[in-house]
Amino acid sequence: DGGITQSPKYLFRKEGQNVTLSCEQNLNHDAMYWYRQDPGQGLRLIYYSQIVNDFQKGDIAEGYSVSREKKESFPLTVTSAQKNPTAFYLCATSRGGRETQYFGPGTRLLVL
Amino acid sequence: KNEVEQSPQNLTAQEGEFITINCSYSVGISALHWLQQHPGGGIVSLFMLSSGKKKHGRLIATINIQEKHSSLHITASHPRDSAVYICAVIGDKLIFGTGTRLQVFP
Repeated sequence: DGGITQSPKYLFRKEGQNVTLSCEQNLNHDAMYWYRQDPGQGLRLIYYSQIVNDFQKGDIAEGYSVSREKKESFPLTVTSAQKNPTAFYLCATSRGGRETQYFGPGTRLLVL
Repeated sequence: KNEVEQSPQNLTAQEGEFITINCSYSVGISALHWLQQHPGGGIVSLFMLSSGKKKHGRLIATINIQEKHSSLHITASHPRDSAVYICAVIGDKLIFGTGTRLQVFP
């Protein structure tokens, strides 16, 4: 079964905690992306990676960190420095930088 | 002003109606995506186009590069078409519109 999986579907975080959102793909795509979606706003790019062991900041990287140790995996850590982390987080992949992006099912993060 | 503007923001229709969603952009692009987001949050890519027109089933997407405008049409709309439709342009980076929420009633 090919595709992109994100886990968990819902995640609750206490203030001051770091949490890590998982994104795994078996599409053999080189590029992976993390987006944040807030009500009434377009998706905003947090981080992206075009190749293993390399990643770049997007438009709203502050308070987030990522790693790309394997082609299949691109976990996103929401740190305590992110002051407004409640949002819907979407992971996407593509064959290359300007190719069609395929999206995972998303993780909804709520801060308690 | 947003670089990608969609209209309308919200749209309701009766089953069977012809639907048009518009997307205008102000940056240079190499291609444009139309995406569909269902209530659960998952996003599906409908079309990527850089010129002319594409058709898939009841969905038609057109783009006019000179006018920096694209439209997504749904013929014979159905309640299962209810979703948020998002336009995204590929320039130096991918820029998303805020989406059009479509509700189709039986």
